[in-house]
Amino acid sequence: EDKVVQSPLSLVVHEGDTVTLNCSYEVTNFRSLLWYKQEKKAPTFLFMLTSSGIEKKSGRLSSILDKKELFSILNITATQTGDSAVYLCAVEASSNTGKLIFGQGTTLQVKP
Amino acid sequence: DAGITQSPRHKVTETGTPVTLRCHQTENHRYMYWYRQDPGHGLRLIHYSYGVKDTDKGEVSDGYSVSRSKTEDFLLTLESATSSQTSVYFCATHLQGGDEQFFGPGTRLTVL
Repeated sequence: EDKVVQSPLSLVVHEGDTVTLNCSYEVTNFRSLLWYKQEKKAPTFLFMLTSSGIEKKSGRLSSILDKKELFSILNITATQTGDSAVYLCAVEASSNTGKLIFGQGTTLQVKP
Repeated sequence: DAGITQSPRHKVTETGTPVTLRCHQTENHRYMYWYRQDPGHGLRLIHYSYGVKDTDKGEVSDGYSVSRSKTEDFLLTLESATSSQTSVYFCATHLQGGDEQFFGPGTRLTVL
């Protein structure tokens, strides 16, 4: 059975801290891994990763994929209170339908 | 947001009543999806569509049916609502060959 597991499930940090969120997966015919941010509304897209070892970066957020060890990490540096959200990891298996399997999400709270 | 709207946005209903949720998109995306989101479970796929009149089941399809008679509309029906179907329902679309799924604003359904 295809599975995506995120850790930790929740995290509380202070502004300025750096955080690392983890996502491991077991799927047949891996196609891509996606990260989303959800702030009490619809998830918004952050990154899509398909190749091992290539870092995707956007401002203070970055992510990397390890296809050999079947995991990805999402790093947030110099956290701000606006980073408080649920971060979702999802994996697309190679079925050409775009179907995603989501992890449980990591709830990040950034305190001032 | 790929022009995705969901209706209604909030609904309270009673056990045993039929409920239909509507997803409407304006971007002519081929793929459409219905997810439910519950605490501790992330997003779980209910049904998806890969074209007009072409639909298939996701991981939690029991008790739900869907229909897609036009590219822009994807309906989710609960034939006889149960309390276990209390959830937040998200519709999403995907452009074939594109990176991400785009999510609608969600519908909060409460079954009493």
